[in-house]
Amino acid sequence: DVKVTQSSRYLVKRTGEKVFLECVQDMDHENMFWYRQDPGLGLRLIYFSYDVKMKEKGDIPEGYSVSREKKERFSLILESASTNQTSMYLCASSLEAIHQPQHFGDGTRLSIL
Amino acid sequence: GNSVTQMEGPVTLSEEAFLTINCTYTATGYPSLFWYVQYPGEGLQLLLKATKADDKGSNKGFEATYRKETTSFHLEKGSVQVSDSAVYFCALSDQWSGGYQKVTFGTGTKLQVIP
Repeated sequence: DVKVTQSSRYLVKRTGEKVFLECVQDMDHENMFWYRQDPGLGLRLIYFSYDVKMKEKGDIPEGYSVSREKKERFSLILESASTNQTSMYLCASSLEAIHQPQHFGDGTRLSIL
Repeated sequence: GNSVTQMEGPVTLSEEAFLTINCTYTATGYPSLFWYVQYPGEGLQLLLKATKADDKGSNKGFEATYRKETTSFHLEKGSVQVSDSAVYFCALSDQWSGGYQKVTFGTGTKLQVIP
């Protein structure tokens, strides 16, 4: 089974801090994704990566950046955290084909105070 | 752009009741369609999928048929259990202009099954 591991289940940070969320997958998937999940809004794509060092903006990239230095690891960075970035963050990975499903981690619940 | 519309929840059913969660989509290409389930405190996991028109996906007693003529992918189960209580997401996967996979999710439907 594919395993997608997010480094923290819960995280509390302060406004203005630089925040790193880490995600690792163990199945050699080309694609990796970062979403945020908010009540009533479903999942919204922040960034995705289709190869090492490659990235594309999703629907809501403002205030975020990403890094993919190795195929198995995809990091989400909040450059200067703000309270409106309090959310559940989900990482996913998949093979490169539209009929392939995404595999999700358990999520990181991030609170910005 | 692509979009997915799900019925709003929460849906509350008694155990052994019949379940339908409606999902319709708009897409310009030939997408693949998915249902994901999210149990409390967990990430999403694939429930079933269908990759072309008239395909039926099924798993754990759940079924959904890819209906291109009505652009729908409704989720059904004949007899729900308390353990089916979760949030269900309909999703479509298509190609972006850059040729990469892009997935669009519905807003999710919360199902609560009472004994």
